Amino acid sequence: AQTVTQSQPEMSVQEAETVTLSCTYDTSESDYYLFWYKQPPSRQMILVIRQEAYKQQNATENRFSVNFQKAAKSFSLKISDSQLGDAAMYFCAYWGQGGKLIFGQGTELSVKP
Amino acid sequence: DGGITQSPKYLFRKEGQNVTLSCEQNLNHDAMYWYRQDPGQGLRLIYYSQIVNDFQKGDIAEGYSVSREKKESFPLTVTSAQKNPTAFYLCASSWGRNTIYFGEGSWLTVV
Repeated sequence: AQTVTQSQPEMSVQEAETVTLSCTYDTSESDYYLFWYKQPPSRQMILVIRQEAYKQQNATENRFSVNFQKAAKSFSLKISDSQLGDAAMYFCAYWGQGGKLIFGQGTELSVKP
Repeated sequence: DGGITQSPKYLFRKEGQNVTLSCEQNLNHDAMYWYRQDPGQGLRLIYYSQIVNDFQKGDIAEGYSVSREKKESFPLTVTSAQKNPTAFYLCASSWGRNTIYFGEGSWLTVV
């Protein structure tokens, strides 16, 4: 069975600085998708970034980028120029061929002014 | 507007009662999902359905039941067999594995 692990329950970053959130996953599949979702206190799930496993190029969305290491099964999220609005719970998620979207335990990010 | 509607937003359940959470989508998505989230925890998959009249158990299906009689609807029943149902419940839908869309969630509390 596939698993997703986020080893950092909490992270903190100074405003305007850069922070990296870690995620590792375990799978025997070759075709899958990986996601980072942001969940603010409102509990709304917001898609941050998406990566297809067959693409070697790391996905980027404005200040958000990933470091996708397929062989190491690692999928970290880098947030550059952190803003107060980035404070939230961040979830890494795996979507495999079986149709299940599996989430990690989450990392709570706080941004200090 | 297209989207996913969950209702009610807040629900209180007495001991021994069954309750049903509604999830409706007008996105014409084939797949729908139910997740449970406990305080400070990640999302755990309860049930998912990839097509009408078919659904599969997720990781924590015990004490829950679902139906998928229509493409746009995927209600979740929390039965009395679920011993600790107090949680936040999220419904989602998708088309292929492109993107998954989430509802705004429902809070269930046992009183």
